[in-house]
Amino acid sequence: GDSVTQMEGPVTLSEEAFLTINCTYTATGYPSLFWYVQYPGEGLQLLLKATKADDKGSNKGFEATYRKETTSFHLEKGSVQVSDSAVYFCALSDRADYGQNFVFGPGTRLSVLP
Amino acid sequence: SQTIHQWPATLVQPVGSPLSLECTVEGTSNPNLYWYRQAAGRGLQLLFYSVGIGQISSEVPQNLSASRPQDRQFILSSKKLLLSDSGFYLCAWSELREVDNEQFFGPGTRLTVL
Repeated sequence: GDSVTQMEGPVTLSEEAFLTINCTYTATGYPSLFWYVQYPGEGLQLLLKATKADDKGSNKGFEATYRKETTSFHLEKGSVQVSDSAVYFCALSDRADYGQNFVFGPGTRLSVLP
Repeated sequence: SQTIHQWPATLVQPVGSPLSLECTVEGTSNPNLYWYRQAAGRGLQLLFYSVGIGQISSEVPQNLSASRPQDRQFILSSKKLLLSDSGFYLCAWSELREVDNEQFFGPGTRLTVL
C-alpha cells in the first residue's frame, strides 16, 4: 500500500537557520503531495501542496518540489523563525483511490530557538 | 467559505464511561468525512471515513464507532472508554470527487481517560 516516510525528529534549529525536512513516498498511482503543519494544541493546517511532477509548492517562505524520479517532497525554508516551531506532516493523496486514500507521515517536530 | 467545528474542545472521562464527539462542516455538500486519532507525540491514525450519509468505513478495529446521521455531521462514539483511548481526536473533510483531495481539519478534541 501507499506510504510516507519522514525524517525522524525532533529537529532543533536556531533562528534564521536553514531548514530541510525530508519526505519520501511510495504510491500505486500518481499522487498529489502535501505538507501540513500543526501548532501546539491545534488541528492541522495545509502548508503547501503539489499535484504533479516538478511542481513546486510554496507558502510562508516554505517550499517543496515534487520529485517523481526520487519519489520525494522535501520541505525547505531558508530562514526559520521561532514562530515556525510546530509539527510538520508530509502526506499524499492517491488519485487511484479518491477520498479514501490519504496517507500521512509520522510527523517531524521542529523547535526553533531564539 | 467552508468551516469545520468539533466539540467539545477538551474532555476528561473515567474508564468505562461512554463517549460522543461531534463534528460538523459548513459551506459544502457531500463531503468525505474522516476521524483521526493522534496519541501524545505520535502521528495521525485514521479511524473512520465516510463518503455519504450512513456510509462508514473503519480502518482500525477498536471499541470506537462512527455514525453520519446527516450529510455534514460526523459522530465518534464509544460505549465504554479504555485508558488507551486517550488522545487528540481530529475530524477532517475533503471534496467528494476533488482530484487534489486536500483535507481540511477541525480544531480537535483532547480526550483524557482516567
